[in-house]
Amino acid sequence: AQSVAQPEDQVNVAEGNPLTVKCTYSVSGNPYLFWYVQYPNRGLQFLLKYITGDNLVKGSYGFEAEFNKSQTSFHLKKPSALVSDSALYFCAVRGDTGRRALTFGSGTRLQVQP
Amino acid sequence: GAGVSQSPSNKVTEKGKDVELRCDPISGHTALYWYRQRLGQGLEFLIYFQGNSAPDKSGLPSDRFSAERTGESVSTLTIQRTQQEDSAVYLCASSSGAGNEQFFGPGTRLTVL
Repeated sequence: AQSVAQPEDQVNVAEGNPLTVKCTYSVSGNPYLFWYVQYPNRGLQFLLKYITGDNLVKGSYGFEAEFNKSQTSFHLKKPSALVSDSALYFCAVRGDTGRRALTFGSGTRLQVQP
Repeated sequence: GAGVSQSPSNKVTEKGKDVELRCDPISGHTALYWYRQRLGQGLEFLIYFQGNSAPDKSGLPSDRFSAERTGESVSTLTIQRTQQEDSAVYLCASSSGAGNEQFFGPGTRLTVL
């Protein structure tokens, strides 16, 4: 079975400060890891993914994530937060074998204060 | 269109009625997924189609739920004898391959009274 944990329901950060949204996972085989963002009244948008290669992955809107195999983590980061980054963020995983559908975390609401 | 589309955007129905939700994936995408998102919660996998292979139905919560896909095109999710706990946003996604990112539609918000 595969699972994702997003331990923080909400993260608050001041505009201009760095942000981190945490994600840990459990999966059989090698992980395929994804981050999605959901803005109010809009669908999920893909941010970035890790399949293989460099542990630091860069994605849309200045976001990046670091894959750490020993800690089974894939934390989302951004060096300088914007108010417009305020949204709901989902981490997702699937293994390289078995079920192809993604397993999503419960989501973390990011609130960036001006 | 360029993205995944879903219809209707909103559906209000009475308990016990059947509903059909439609998804049009991105053209050329061989994989299609249905998820359910209850209010304030993450996404729950329902069913997955990949080309002409047998669908993965392991996420369907009960035999009231079923889905079909016409080739590599449109998919319909059917919920029979709806219950209030079926109220949720139903999201469809498609991808060009099993390891590639999924592109999501805007969802259908289902309310069962």
